[in-house]
Amino acid sequence: GDSVTQMEGPVTLSEEAFLTINCTYTATGYPSLFWYVQYPGEGLQLLLKATKADDKGSNKGFEATYRKETTSFHLEKGSVQVSDSAVYFCALSSRGGYNKLIFGAGTRLAVHP
Amino acid sequence: DAEITQSPRHKITETGRQVTLACHQTWNHNNMFWYRQDLGHGLRLIHYSYGVQDTNKGEVSDGYSVSRSNTEDLPLTLESAASSQTSVYFCASSSLAGGTDTQYFGPGTRLTVL
Repeated sequence: GDSVTQMEGPVTLSEEAFLTINCTYTATGYPSLFWYVQYPGEGLQLLLKATKADDKGSNKGFEATYRKETTSFHLEKGSVQVSDSAVYFCALSSRGGYNKLIFGAGTRLAVHP
Repeated sequence: DAEITQSPRHKITETGRQVTLACHQTWNHNNMFWYRQDLGHGLRLIHYSYGVQDTNKGEVSDGYSVSRSNTEDLPLTLESAASSQTSVYFCASSSLAGGTDTQYFGPGTRLTVL
């Protein structure tokens, strides 16, 4: 079945460092791909998404490119801030899957001043 | 502003009791979902609904049930709570049946089964 694999955390960075969180997926067909973020004590909120191969999703300085050839959707940010500390989830929604999301295990990011 | 709310935010119950978690959305979304969040597993789908009177089982539906009598609400019932159901539960909603739509999440309910 469909699945999502994320790099294990926690990831600890200093402020202004470069961030990469790896995400790979297994799916039949052409899924839509998402990154959700969960701040402490809150629910998940959409960070960015891409719906077809080579699409780049971007928001708040974060970017991710849908790479069909490597079945990847890695999250990147050029300069992280303390306020980016959160748990990041990669997810997919299969075509014809009626918007059901399959999540990765999540990666906790801690950014220190 | 439209929102999705969950209640209670925290619940402690005993093994064997029936528990109902409420989810209410004012987005007027057709699709509603229940997930549980456990360390190392991310979020896993419990049940989902694409409209009034429609309910479907997700990946981890055993021991849970839902009913959809109106657009706004999808309560989740634990028939006989077990310690393995200690978790954080999230409700979500979305408007379209296609795979590209954003899901909006509630703040979560932390359930402890003793």
